[in-house]
Amino acid sequence: AQSVAQPEDQVNVAEGNPLTVKCTYSVSGNPYLFWYVQYPNRGLQFLLKYITGDNLVKGSYGFEAEFNKSQTSFHLKKPSALVSDSALYFCAVRDIDTDKLIFGTGTRLQVFP
Amino acid sequence: DAEITQSPRHKITETGRQVTLACHQTWNHNNMFWYRQDLGHGLRLIHYSYGVQDTNKGEVSDGYSVSRSNTEDLPLTLESAASSQTSVYFCASRQDLGTGELFFGEGSRLTVL
Repeated sequence: AQSVAQPEDQVNVAEGNPLTVKCTYSVSGNPYLFWYVQYPNRGLQFLLKYITGDNLVKGSYGFEAEFNKSQTSFHLKKPSALVSDSALYFCAVRDIDTDKLIFGTGTRLQVFP
Repeated sequence: DAEITQSPRHKITETGRQVTLACHQTWNHNNMFWYRQDLGHGLRLIHYSYGVQDTNKGEVSDGYSVSRSNTEDLPLTLESAASSQTSVYFCASRQDLGTGELFFGEGSRLTVL
């Protein structure tokens, strides 16, 4: 069965520092991977996705993610964090059998001034 | 602009009552999904539909039902509300391909007393 794991409930980082939010996956076949962000009292917003091609994927708001097949990881990164990046981040993987998305439990990112 | 709207945004009901949460999208997407979000569980899929008259159960479908009579709407019904169904509910839609990202509504917060 396909699954995705976000090992950190919360990540704290100072403004201006680089940030990483971790995600690992388990799929049979080629993975389709996604990152979403949720601001307070809002729905989820799409950030970026990996389907095929370059392992470094660039997305919205200066975020990028690196696909690593050997480590089955898809970590979200940003070179310089902003206080406004503070939000809940979800990693997701496509279930190949049913074509639906399976979400991780989320990681709360807190950026301190 | 195309959008996805949910109503009501907030609802309080009593145990045993029937509740319907509405979801309406104007993207003309065939794929629609209902998730619930709970602390520690992330997003869990309740029901989904890949087109008119098509409905499928997700991982937490017990006590919920959906119907798809047109492309734009996927109402979620709680047949007899239980306190365990207190949650935030999100509707989402997507173009046909599994590579496409989900577009989420703003959520419906349901409290069952």
